[in-house]
Amino acid sequence: DAKTTQPTSMDCAEGRAANLPCNHSTISGNEYVYWYRQIHSQGPQYIIHGLKNNETNEMASLIITEDRKSSTLILPHATLRDTAVYYCIVRVAYDKVIFGPGTSLSVIP
Amino acid sequence: EAGVTQFPSHSVIEKGQTVTLRCDPISGHDNLYWYRRVMGKEIKFLLHFVKESKQDESGMPNNRFLAERTGGTYSTLKVQPAELEDSGVYFCASSQETGWKTQYFGPGTRLLVL
Repeated sequence: DAKTTQPTSMDCAEGRAANLPCNHSTISGNEYVYWYRQIHSQGPQYIIHGLKNNETNEMASLIITEDRKSSTLILPHATLRDTAVYYCIVRVAYDKVIFGPGTSLSVIP
Repeated sequence: EAGVTQFPSHSVIEKGQTVTLRCDPISGHDNLYWYRRVMGKEIKFLLHFVKESKQDESGMPNNRFLAERTGGTYSTLKVQPAELEDSGVYFCASSQETGWKTQYFGPGTRLLVL
């Protein structure tokens, strides 16, 4: 099963870009990388996903390395409301979201 | 468009009592999932409905947990009898179609068993 590893925690200054790394070295060729986040006391929130190409939406950008063994979620201008736990997820079972411990991002004023 | 809603938002019960949690998915979403996070642990999958049918219930911890989705709309998750270790946050999610699609989560129900 494909698994992911992420740093336990990170800090980012308000207004700066937050770059959250994820390693998924055992990812299969047709598996997408998904990012979710969980803000305190809320349910997990979908952010973005990608397969091979870099992706961008209104929330973030996703950079996937050419070998697909790692990816980086970029929040271009972090705000205090971006403080949350960020989960990098690779599909490991049909229809299931498998959450790891994630990265706790603290945006500092 | 309304998101996934869950009721109640909080529940405090005594050990041995019964609690029923409800989830209303996004309209038109055939797939409905239950997850939970118990104290200090990661969010874990419980089960998956496709319309009214249970597609995968491999994450259900034991037979004290019963999930239903009559009519393929809202779903309930009953815990009977509740134990202390059932305390945690129960999340519901829904998605369109079958197969790996973006799942949209509700705010969760916080259950405390005393």
